[in-house]
Amino acid sequence: AQKITQTQPGMFVQEKEAVTLDCTYDTSDQSYGLFWYKQPSSGEMIFLIYQGSYDEQNATEGRYSLNFQKARKSANLVISASQLGDSAMYFCAMRPYGGFKTIFGAGTRLFVKA
Amino acid sequence: EAGVAQSPRYKIIEKRQSVAFWCNPISGHATLYWYQQILGQGPKLLIQFQNNGVVDDSQLPKDRFSAERLKGVDSTLKIQPAKLEDSAVYLCASSLRSETHNEQFFGPGTRLTVL
Repeated sequence: AQKITQTQPGMFVQEKEAVTLDCTYDTSDQSYGLFWYKQPSSGEMIFLIYQGSYDEQNATEGRYSLNFQKARKSANLVISASQLGDSAMYFCAMRPYGGFKTIFGAGTRLFVKA
Repeated sequence: EAGVAQSPRYKIIEKRQSVAFWCNPISGHATLYWYQQILGQGPKLLIQFQNNGVVDDSQLPKDRFSAERLKGVDSTLKIQPAKLEDSAVYLCASSLRSETHNEQFFGPGTRLTVL
């Protein structure tokens, strides 16, 4: 069975510092995609970044980068230069290639301090 | 471009009543998803449509939940009768196609409270 584990229920970071949000996954599929979404208090999920399991380079999108370690089955999100607006819930998700179901972790709540 | 629209934003009902949620995806998006997000958890996929056909409904409690996608555009999700454990946020999302790498665009959700 597929599973996403986010072990940090809450994280604090000082404004302008970098923060890493952990994500490990369990799957028997060889090909899959990994996603990170942000959910502000308004409730809407916002796509941040995508990493394919066969991508050799770690994905980057602006201040977001994904530290992908396939052998360890981890896909940590790194946010550089944190901003107050980054305070939100962050969800790691996975979907197998050719499959339909995206599964989400329980999320990590990030608090950015001024 | 306009985002995914959902209505209502909030709904309070008593158990055993019925309720319906509406979703209008981004124009041109072939794939539509309904998720249930219980407080403190990540979203759980209930059903996924490709155009107007169902491609995955393995986690939909079919004894009380039903969903349809009219003409491959709008979709409605219905609960009848509702139970206390159905209290959650119901999120609708759409993507251009169903391929894995396609990002999903989410609506604001409908917060359902069952008393």
